[in-house]
Amino acid sequence: EAQVTQNPRYLITVTGKKLTVTCSQNMNHEYMSWYRQDPGLGLRQIYYSMNVEVTDKGDVPEGYKVSRKEKRNFPLILESPSPNQTSLYFCASGTSNQPQHFGDGTRLSIL
Amino acid sequence: RKEVEQDPGPFNVPEGATVAFNCTYSNSASQSFFWYRQDCRKEPKLLMSVYSSGNEDGRFTAQLNRASQYISLLIRDSKLSDSATYLCVVKTGAGSYQLTFGKGTKLSVIP
Repeated sequence: EAQVTQNPRYLITVTGKKLTVTCSQNMNHEYMSWYRQDPGLGLRQIYYSMNVEVTDKGDVPEGYKVSRKEKRNFPLILESPSPNQTSLYFCASGTSNQPQHFGDGTRLSIL
Repeated sequence: RKEVEQDPGPFNVPEGATVAFNCTYSNSASQSFFWYRQDCRKEPKLLMSVYSSGNEDGRFTAQLNRASQYISLLIRDSKLSDSATYLCVVKTGAGSYQLTFGKGTKLSVIP
């Protein structure tokens, strides 16, 4: 089954404690992306990757890092999380001629 | 001017009603258009692509007006299960991976 898998689905943590949200896709897609979704603001892109070892900033990259060492994985790293990063996060993958598929989402709460 | 604009709603309609959502986009170079559906706290899922000639999928009809930079979604015979937020999504440029999302229009279908 074609899917984008995110882990964890839910996380409550404290300010400053580094965390990683993993994302994996099994569709051999070149493109992967991270979004955050906040009430009234819609989906905003954090980082994206066009292929292995190619990443670029989206609209709201501050406070986040990503890496793309393998085609299937695109982890999102919060080196020093802060309360304003409390949000619902989605990973997505796709190709240039296909719409994007989204993961189930990760709900992060930073206390 | 926002890149993709939608009426946020909410639209509260009775079962069986016909409801129309509108969306405008600012980038005239936009090439591909989609409607995504998002249930509360879930991931966005592709509802349908929007083609220049207009297209229909069961009770759903999508229209595109490139001259006016306007996209619409019509839902006929609304069901309770249609209750969700509908996201207008635009991809700019042939071969582009990047999607721009509207903030969504919330629909509630009432018994």
